[in-house]
Amino acid sequence: DVKVTQSSRYLVKRTGEKVFLECVQDMDHENMFWYRQDPGLGLRLIYFSYDVKMKEKGDIPEGYSVSREKKERFSLILESASTNQTSMYLCASRPTSGRGNIQYFGAGTRLSVL
Amino acid sequence: AQRVTQPEKLLSVFKGAPVELKCNYSYSGSPELFWYVQYSRQRLQLLLRHISRESIKGFTADLNKGETSFHLKKPFAQEEDSAMYYCAPCYGGKLIFGQGTELSVKP
Repeated sequence: DVKVTQSSRYLVKRTGEKVFLECVQDMDHENMFWYRQDPGLGLRLIYFSYDVKMKEKGDIPEGYSVSREKKERFSLILESASTNQTSMYLCASRPTSGRGNIQYFGAGTRLSVL
Repeated sequence: AQRVTQPEKLLSVFKGAPVELKCNYSYSGSPELFWYVQYSRQRLQLLLRHISRESIKGFTADLNKGETSFHLKKPFAQEEDSAMYYCAPCYGGKLIFGQGTELSVKP
């Protein structure tokens, strides 16, 4: 079974703090994704990466950055957290070949910015 | 931009009733189409995809290219089907998620 692990289930941070959300997958997938999930808005793509050190902006990259130094790990960084970044953050991965476009999700990190 | 519309935020049915969750997408080529489901306190997981043409947990989804729709159906809803459902076409290797429909199946 594919395992996508997000390091924290819940996080509480203060406005202005730098926040790191970590995601690790164990299936050697080339592609990794960060989404935020908000009621009524569904999932919105923040950033994705199709290879080590490669990244592309998604639909809502403002206020976020990412890092992919190793294939299995994809980090989401909030440079200066703001209250409007309070949300559920989901990480996902998928292979480039094989079962193609199926994405596998982590359990999510619920971030509260006070 | 590609768009996905799930018109119902909440769908409430009684156990044993038929259920249909609607999904419409904007046309651009022939995207691969998925339904994902999130049960309470569980992670988002794949329910089914159109190229498999399979029935999962009694659910099927019909792709109508003319209407650009991919509605999810089940003839007899069960309480354990209560969950959040997301329609997601795939464009350029990326999933575009709808707003989601919360299905509530009452006893």
